[in-house]
Amino acid sequence: DGGITQSPKYLFRKEGQNVTLSCEQNLNHDAMYWYRQDPGQGLRLIYYSQIVNDFQKGDIAEGYSVSREKKESFPLTVTSAQKNPTAFYLCASSQTGQGFGYTFGSGTRLTVV
Amino acid sequence: QKEVEQNSGPLSVPEGAIASLNCTYSDRGSQSFFWYRQYSGKSPELIMFIYSNGDKEDGRFTAQLNKASQYVSLLIRDSQPSDSATYLCAVNGAGGSYIPTFGRGTSLIVHP
Repeated sequence: DGGITQSPKYLFRKEGQNVTLSCEQNLNHDAMYWYRQDPGQGLRLIYYSQIVNDFQKGDIAEGYSVSREKKESFPLTVTSAQKNPTAFYLCASSQTGQGFGYTFGSGTRLTVV
Repeated sequence: QKEVEQNSGPLSVPEGAIASLNCTYSDRGSQSFFWYRQYSGKSPELIMFIYSNGDKEDGRFTAQLNKASQYVSLLIRDSQPSDSATYLCAVNGAGGSYIPTFGRGTSLIVHP
């Protein structure tokens, strides 16, 4: 079955450490996205990519970095510059164009220790 | 700044009732409208999509779109306790923008 896989499910980061969240999809979707969700908050867009080797900043890109070397993969690195990284991170993919909704991964819950 | 507004709730309805969830949006050129369901601690799941004025039905769910008034609604008939979740409204912008703006979601509680 096609789907989108995020790993790990839970991640603990020490102060000053960079961590990378994995996102892989086998839906043959061109577009992939990273969102952050805080308790009681909506989804905030971090980065998105609509084609391989190209990505765009979202609303809250500071302190994060991404790469899109393969269509199937869109990893997110949370750098030490992100001062408040504790959140639920969601990766999504979609076909491009109007009328296509997102398929979300199961999420990664990141906690700073 | 494109905005999508939802009442955060919680909206509490008895089992078997109709739950009505509402969403308003600011971008008059918006073209596609989505409803996602998110259970506590889980990721959102797409449940409805609508792009033309009127109603769209899928099982117990009906999406209603009124572009003139800039609102989109989700009706859940015969509500079940398993429908208890947060419902997110998402709106795609005009032109070539395929990146939706999400509302903060409405929490629905269906009590037996």
